[in-house]
Parts: sequence; C-alpha cells; structure tokens
Amino acid sequence: ETGVTQTPRHLVMGMTNKKSLKCEQHLGHNAMYWYKQSAKKPLELMFVYNFKEQTENNSVPSRFSPECPNSSHLFLHLHTLQPEDSALYLCASSQDWDRGYNEQFFGPGTRLTVL
Amino acid sequence: AQKVTQAQTEISVVEKEDVTLDCVYETRDTTYYLFWYKQPPSGELVFLIRRNSFDEQNEISGRYSWNFQKSTSSFNFTITASQVVDSAVYFCALSEATAGNQFYFGTGTSLTVIP
Repeated sequence: ETGVTQTPRHLVMGMTNKKSLKCEQHLGHNAMYWYKQSAKKPLELMFVYNFKEQTENNSVPSRFSPECPNSSHLFLHLHTLQPEDSALYLCASSQDWDRGYNEQFFGPGTRLTVL
Repeated sequence: AQKVTQAQTEISVVEKEDVTLDCVYETRDTTYYLFWYKQPPSGELVFLIRRNSFDEQNEISGRYSWNFQKSTSSFNFTITASQVVDSAVYFCALSEATAGNQFYFGTGTSLTVIP
C-alpha cells in the first residue's frame, strides 16, 4: 500500500445528503491533516490530529465533522453541505505536529461536488 | 497578509527550456522551513524539497535546483531542460517552528511544458 490513500476519489452529493471521506496512512506517522483546495486559492488547513487528538480546527463550519479513531485513519463526515463546499479535499500525514520541519505526505484527494 | 506569495499564476515553456518558479515568503520567526511540492493532474501533492532557515546553501537534484536567499526572503525553484512530465502545479510552503507543523501554502504556479 502506498503512503496515503483516500476514498472515494470522486463524490457527488446533494445538499441534504450525509457522506464521509476516508483517509488512511501507512507511514507510521502520528499527525494527520485535512485540507480544502479550491481553485485559485491557497490550500486551506481544516483540521489537524496529533496522536488521535485534535490540535487545530481552523474555524471550519460544523457541517464538516472530523473523526480520528487511531493514528492511521482519519474521516471527514459531511452533512448539509453548500455548493461552495465543492472542492478537492486532501488528506496528509507527517511524523508529528510539534516540529515545523516535518514534510507532509499527501493523498490523491477526493473531488467533491455539491449539487 | 499572505505568508507565501507565488506571483506567477501560469507559465508555459517549450520543452528543453529552463524555467524558474518564484516564491517569496514572510515570517518573523528566526527558525522556519520552506518546502516545494509538485501537484500533477492526478491531484496528489508530491514533496520535492525542504530547506531550513539556517541553511542557505543552494541545492541541486538532477534537473531541479533551488535558490534560497534570506536577504530577499525568496526560495526560487529552477527546472533545467524542462520535459513534458514536468507539467504540473507547483506549490511553495512555509512552516514556522513556533506554529507546530502548520504549513502556509502559496497559491501555486501552473507550469505547462509544450512538446
């Protein structure tokens, strides 16, 4: 298994649906991240988990709900999304959160379209 | 204010030409780290290089080279003898030792290499 995997790769959902994005890392890392990537904008950090504990929540609306059951898995639960939430959602992991020098390894992303 | 600026939104070059991607950063930390990532059409960000603020030596890796200049707060990336496979979006990122492993990404430069 390669480093960071994400499923599904593509997702189309209506505004009233509930869905979940899954991320799994096989690198033995302790920190995991969710990013949102919209066109013409810098990557937006949404959530950070370090040793399964949430350390960062960058003012993300409550319609996005993260879950980290263990250091290898990260979920993003979605409900009542808006069309402006359509974007590429990227998961990443790094050795840990405490030191700024750890490169982050990214998954291929989930392309989300909200109708 | 944006911490990382990539002023070039899109660049097109003909195969075998050299191309330089600019990155300017802003930080008050004395210890920080700079990164370059490549995002091919598949979506996954691929780590290319990390530089710490105490190491201003330029680095070369095959056709890739990086020029770090603290005096101008720049960390530019040059691809020599470009190839079609170099076509991608390239992101520069900054992390600060006082801010955990939070990355501040630029908006990216889309490079197209024309055969």
